[in-house]
Amino acid sequence: DARVTQTPRHKVTEMGQEVTMRCQPILGHNTVFWYRQTMMQGLELLAYFRNRAPLDDSGMPKDRFSAEMPDATLATLKIQPSEPRDSAVYFCASGFGGSGNTIYFGEGSWLTVV
Amino acid sequence: GENVEQHPSTLSVQEGDSAVIKCTYSDSASNYFPWYKQELGKGPQLIIDIRSNVGEKKDQRIAVTLNKTAKHFSLHITETQPEDSAVYFCAAPTRGGADGLTFGKGTHLIIQP
Repeated sequence: DARVTQTPRHKVTEMGQEVTMRCQPILGHNTVFWYRQTMMQGLELLAYFRNRAPLDDSGMPKDRFSAEMPDATLATLKIQPSEPRDSAVYFCASGFGGSGNTIYFGEGSWLTVV
Repeated sequence: GENVEQHPSTLSVQEGDSAVIKCTYSDSASNYFPWYKQELGKGPQLIIDIRSNVGEKKDQRIAVTLNKTAKHFSLHITETQPEDSAVYFCAAPTRGGADGLTFGKGTHLIIQP
């Protein structure tokens, strides 16, 4: 059963620390998304890649967030330095590029910054 | 970009009754409308989707209707069961033909025994 895999599932860290979240997309999918979920804002698109190239990161705070895709099986989202307002659930999703194609979500990385 | 509005934010129905969740979108170029179900502690899971060339799609107890003229689409769940309790999200393509989805704020569906 193909699925998007995310690590860590849960992370508690102190303000100012670096946090790295990792995602393994479904094999064969060429488009990878990072979403953030909070009670106030709901599901927000942070960034996405197609064929490992970043296509849009306009939803991401540039000063502290960075997203990369070192290879086709790994996407990373890094926060440095982390702040309490970054506390949220971060979802990775993957699919085939283009409008009208389904995207599949991982189980999320639950981040708490204290 | 796309703007998706979803109502209601909370819906409580008796087990066995029907539930309807409604969404509107702003971009007339949008052509794909999925619905996701999110259970506590899990990621959103696709439950049904509809494309702009049809007005209705059914899958057992779940159906989705689309009105392109009015730019709204709805999720219908019949004969609700306790396992239907979850948060449901509608979505539409973020920008016309671009990748990614813009989500509604979600509906917390509560099935009362």
